[in-house]
This record gives sequence, structure tokens and C-alpha cells, in this order.
Amino acid sequence: DAGVIQSPRHEVTEMGQEVTLRCKPISGHDYLFWYRQTMMRGLELLIYFNNNVPIDDSGMPEDRFSAKMPNASFSTLKIQPSEPRDSAVYFCASRKTGANEKLFFGSGTQLSVL
Amino acid sequence: KQEVTQIPAALSVPEGENLVLNCSFTDSAIYNLQWFRQDPGKGLTSLLLIQSSQREQTSGRLNASLDKSSGRSTLYIAASQPGDSATYLCAAPNFGNEKLTFGTGTRLTIIP
Repeated sequence: DAGVIQSPRHEVTEMGQEVTLRCKPISGHDYLFWYRQTMMRGLELLIYFNNNVPIDDSGMPEDRFSAKMPNASFSTLKIQPSEPRDSAVYFCASRKTGANEKLFFGSGTQLSVL
Repeated sequence: KQEVTQIPAALSVPEGENLVLNCSFTDSAIYNLQWFRQDPGKGLTSLLLIQSSQREQTSGRLNASLDKSSGRSTLYIAASQPGDSATYLCAAPNFGNEKLTFGTGTRLTIIP
């Protein structure tokens, strides 16, 4: 399996623009997680899905952030409008159902909002 | 709410030495704990998952231990190599849900 695939790897945009990050989880994985990593705050969970259904979005910082999972093989994280403080590395991760299943991460999207 | 702490934030050791990385967590009602490795500019890779019923888990030169009663886990690396240089993060679940709380990591440098 190719692992968790994220695109783009890097995104540079201007403040106010819409940004869409994409993720393809590992086939057969029921859970999908979106994380954000910054030097100041470390790794933060934004939202997670189970069987394509959003379960907990309490980590989504503001209404400017939204996430969807239209099917088992694709998810998006959208920021509209983007702000400089959104600059971070965004990771997607997936795993199978089960109490002791490992979590697999994608390579991340480095977002810079100017 | 689970809180995870890793001390020290950075560690440098000469090649060949054995070393221990520390992780502490506040909520001991966990069913497992994971150790991850992160290389610069890369995602996280799960190294070891130690279940609550286990006290240790080994993979090659890595050995993770878990003491739920004291809220601690350690990652032991034997015979360190320059390729072990990376940031190591531990993560513990929040009771009753699927959320993992990550520590801020220990940045390890192995000096050749």
C-alpha cells in the first residue's frame, strides 16, 4: 500500500484566499484524522472521521475551517478565508478500527499564508 | 483531559551509547501508548504501540515500557546510531474516545 497520501506537499497563498488540503487514507482504514503541527502548539487534533462521518470537530479552531469526507478514500480540509496564523504543517492520518491499531501519518502539507 | 509531557526537549549523545527517552501522562486509564519518530520535513512514523496489558514492547534496538500506575513510559534505544537522530514523540489516548494526545517530543541527536 502507498500509505496515507496528502496533496499538495507545499502551499503558499495570500491572506484571504481559500485553501484546500487533500488526503487519501490507507485502503481499509475506518478512521481518518486531521492534525496541525506548529512550533508553538505542537501537534493538535482538528477533526476526525469514522466511516466517513465526522465524530469530533472540537479542535477546529474557527468557522473558517471545514472538513469533509465524501467517501472512504478521500477527505478535504478547507480554510476560507485563510490568515497568516493558519501557517503550519497539516497532517492527515488513518487507522483501522480496534483499540490497539497503529496510526499512520501522511507526509503533511506545509501551508504558508502570506 | 489527557496531558502528555516529554522531558528533555532535546538530547545529544555519542554514537554507540544506550539512551532512554521519557514520557509521562496524566490519565492512566489508557488502553495503549504509542511512540512515534519524526524526521525533519516528514510525517510521523509509529515505532511501537504498547498495550495496557503489556509492560514492554520490543522492535529491534528499541524497547518501550509502560507503567500505568505511575503514568510513565520510556523508550530505550540500544547502541545508538547517527540514523537514530530524529524527534521522538509519545502519544496517549483520551479515555473514552479515539483522540490521541501527543507530547511535544524529544529531539535526539546522535553524534558520530
